[in-house]
Amino acid sequence: DGGITQSPKYLFRKEGQNVTLSCEQNLNHDAMYWYRQDPGQGLRLIYYSQIVNDFQKGDIAEGYSVSREKKESFPLTVTSAQKNPTAFYLCASSRGQNSGNTIYFGEGSWLTVV
Amino acid sequence: AQSVTQLDSQVPVFEEAPVELRCNYSSSVSVYLFWYVQYPNQGLQLLLKYLSGSTLVKGINGFEAEFNKSQTSFHLRKPSVHISDTAEYFCARDTGRRALTFGSGTRLQVQP
Repeated sequence: DGGITQSPKYLFRKEGQNVTLSCEQNLNHDAMYWYRQDPGQGLRLIYYSQIVNDFQKGDIAEGYSVSREKKESFPLTVTSAQKNPTAFYLCASSRGQNSGNTIYFGEGSWLTVV
Repeated sequence: AQSVTQLDSQVPVFEEAPVELRCNYSSSVSVYLFWYVQYPNQGLQLLLKYLSGSTLVKGINGFEAEFNKSQTSFHLRKPSVHISDTAEYFCARDTGRRALTFGSGTRLQVQP
């Protein structure tokens, strides 16, 4: 089945550690996105990529990094510089570069700092 | 900045009653609007979207929304809700840089 796979579903991180969340899509979509979700705040855009080897910062990029070496993969690294990383992280993708394209979401990853 | 405002954080409603979830957006020359639903611990699923044309948009699961340019609103409606409609609903708009800006969400609680 086509879709977006995020892993792991649950991840615990010690303070001072970097962690990487995986996102893979087999929809042949050009664009991929990372959002962070906190209770009562909706979704906030961290990074997005419209094409391989290119990505742009979203609204809350500080403390995060990404790469887009392959069309189907867009991993997100939460660095130790992110002061409050505990959240639900959602990866998404869409076709093409036209406005109005539907964005499809993965099932999300829970990150908890312990 | 282009924004989306969802006016109600929670909406309790009895099963089989009608419901309206409100969404307002900041005015823009062109706007693309979306409604997504999120069930607990899951990703978001598209309910419907408005790109152009008819202002009444029909989506999945019996939901519909009406685009109102003069009131800058895009309210979501369903004439009769089910227990299974209990979820969080997000209104979103395309920012023009081809990512979505989301509202803060409305939790729909359907009671028997």
